[in-house]
Amino acid sequence: SYVLTQPPSVSVAPGQTARITCGGDRIGSKTVHWYQQKPGQAPLLVVFDDYDRPSGIPERFSGSNSRDTATLIITNVEAGDEADYYCQVWSSSPDHSYVFGPGTNVNV
Amino acid sequence: QLQLQESGPGLAKPSETLSLTCTLSGGSITTSNYYWAWIRQPPGKGLEWIGTIYHTGSTFYSPSLKSRVTMSIDTSKSQFSLELNSLTAADTATFYCARVRVAATHRRWFDTWGQGTLVTVSS
Repeated sequence: SYVLTQPPSVSVAPGQTARITCGGDRIGSKTVHWYQQKPGQAPLLVVFDDYDRPSGIPERFSGSNSRDTATLIITNVEAGDEADYYCQVWSSSPDHSYVFGPGTNVNV
Repeated sequence: QLQLQESGPGLAKPSETLSLTCTLSGGSITTSNYYWAWIRQPPGKGLEWIGTIYHTGSTFYSPSLKSRVTMSIDTSKSQFSLELNSLTAADTATFYCARVRVAATHRRWFDTWGQGTLVTVSS
C-alpha cells in the first residue's frame, strides 16, 4: 500500500513562512490535498490538487508537488494557523484507497 | 450549503457491531462526481479512511477493514450508513462522514466533513 510521511512537528514564528512536507514514492505523479485540523474540530480542506484553495481559504495557503515531496506553504503565519495538518492522496491500488499522511503539528 | 451530521451510539461493546448514520442537509446525495465516505480518528492519532460509497450503492473499503465493514446508502432519506463489526477497544475513535469530490480518476479529495462523533468501545 502507498505510504506518506510527514514530520511530526514544525515550529514557526508569527509572520514567518511554514513549510510542511509530505513524502511519498513518486508523489509528484499524484495530486495531493491538505487538511487543517484544530483541537476538537473536524478537518478542514485548505489546499486541493496540489496548490488550489477552496473558497474562503486565505491566499497565505499554497502548495507544491514534485518528484518525491509535496509541500504545504503557509506564508505570514498567524497564531490561528496553529493546528495539525494532514496530506492526502488517492491511490488506485489497492482497492481505490484514500491515504493520509500521519500529520504535522504546526506550533506558532 | 451542504452540511453532514453523524449519528449513532457513543458507546459500544466489544465483539458487537457499530452502526452509524450520516444525514445530509443543504445538498443532494445523488449529485454526480461526488462520493460519500467514512473516516475515523483514534484519540490523539491520525486520520484513517474506512470506506466510500456512491449513490448507486457502489462501495470501496479500506483493505485493513474490509472484512468488518459494510456501507449502505438511502437516497430517499439523504443518508448513508456504516456498520463495523467485531469491535475491539482499538476501534475507539471519532468517526467522521465526509463528501468526496471526484474531479478526475486520480483527483479525489474530501471537501466537506461532518463534525464527528466519538465512539468508545468498552464493556
